[in-house]
Amino acid sequence: EPEVTQTPSHQVTQMGQEVILRCVPISNHLYFYWYRQILGQKVEFLVSFYNNEISEKSEIFDDQFSVERPDGSNFTLKIRSTKLEDSAMYFCASSPTSTGNTEAFFGQGTRLTVV
Amino acid sequence: KNQVEQSPQSLIILEGKNCTLQCNYTVSPFSNLRWYKQDTGRGPVSLTIMTFSENTKSNGRYTATLDADTKQSSLHITASQLSDSASYICVVRAGGGYNKLIFGAGTRLAVHP
Repeated sequence: EPEVTQTPSHQVTQMGQEVILRCVPISNHLYFYWYRQILGQKVEFLVSFYNNEISEKSEIFDDQFSVERPDGSNFTLKIRSTKLEDSAMYFCASSPTSTGNTEAFFGQGTRLTVV
Repeated sequence: KNQVEQSPQSLIILEGKNCTLQCNYTVSPFSNLRWYKQDTGRGPVSLTIMTFSENTKSNGRYTATLDADTKQSSLHITASQLSDSASYICVVRAGGGYNKLIFGAGTRLAVHP
């Protein structure tokens, strides 16, 4: 069964460093998303991406964050100058369309720890 | 502000028993409501999606209800199994967005033998 895959599963980085979280969405999907979940808190929407551009973003997704689809398969989230409060589980998701009852499929997540 | 609230926060039941989880939401405009199961350290997996016009939807031992007038939903699990131990998250899709999903905090269910 097709699935969204994320790498790495766990990333430890020093405060102030840049990290890139990688995702391979399901191959025929057109819409891609990043969500994050700080430990013990709700999953929060970060950004949606379609047709090589951001279609919607939350207030969390400030200039520190950027997304890119560098090739036909990968979808990346870059976090510049990481802060301690960026420590969270980051989930990538994809969907074939964006309408109505379209299912969003989530990856297993990347646990980011900023020390 | 769009919000999804769930109760209880956590629940312990014995294997084979039934349980019901609750969700209240204030999301506008409303598109649909989903229940997800999330195992510890894993991504959420969809159980059901319900639109405004649907009152009940089943997926195996999971049955979700939706009352769009009172903005309430429930997830009923019958004949619980040890593998049902997980967080169950109520998620509302806001209309007009690119699948922008608003998550509840989840109910952590533990099924004991």
